[in-house]
Amino acid sequence: GNSVTQMEGPVTLSEEAFLTINCTYTATGYPSLFWYVQYPGEGLQLLLKATKADDKGSNKGFEATYRKETTSFHLEKGSVQVSDSAVYFCALKSSGNTGKLIFGQGTTLQVKP
Amino acid sequence: NAGVTQTPKFQVLKTGQSMTLQCAQDMNHEYMSWYRQDPGMGLRLIHYSVGAGITDQGEVPNGYNVSRSTTEDFPLRLLSAAPSQTSVYFCASSSGQARSSGNTIYFGEGSWLTVV
Repeated sequence: GNSVTQMEGPVTLSEEAFLTINCTYTATGYPSLFWYVQYPGEGLQLLLKATKADDKGSNKGFEATYRKETTSFHLEKGSVQVSDSAVYFCALKSSGNTGKLIFGQGTTLQVKP
Repeated sequence: NAGVTQTPKFQVLKTGQSMTLQCAQDMNHEYMSWYRQDPGMGLRLIHYSVGAGITDQGEVPNGYNVSRSTTEDFPLRLLSAAPSQTSVYFCASSSGQARSSGNTIYFGEGSWLTVV
């Protein structure tokens, strides 16, 4: 079946460091891929998405490229801020508009000043 | 825009009690779903609905019941609460139309439930 695997956290970085959170997936067909962010005590917010191979999603300085050849959707940011501290979830929606997501386990990011 | 609204935000229940988590969306979305979030496990699908009158089970449906009598509302019922149902619950919705914006799934702010 479909699945999403994220790198285990927590990830602790200093402010202005480069961030990579790895995400790989297993799916049939052509899934859509998402990154969601959850700030402390809050709900889920869509951070970025990509709906087909080689698409790059970007938002708030974060980027992720849909790589079908490596079945990956790694999240990157060139210079993190303390305010980026949150839990990041990679998610997959299988081809066809089913309205259902399969999530990775989440990666906690802590950015220290 | 209200988007997806969940109530209550926090709830403490005693084992064996029943309760309903409410979810409403004002975007005329066909698809609605409930997830639970547990540490180290991401979010797991409980139940989902592709339209009024149609529901189906997700990955972890046991102990939960849903109905979809209107497009706007998708309540989640805990029939007899157990400590294992202590979790954060998220309701989500999305459009059923086959266009790129239909790929976006919108989440409510979550309901923190503790069963003692």
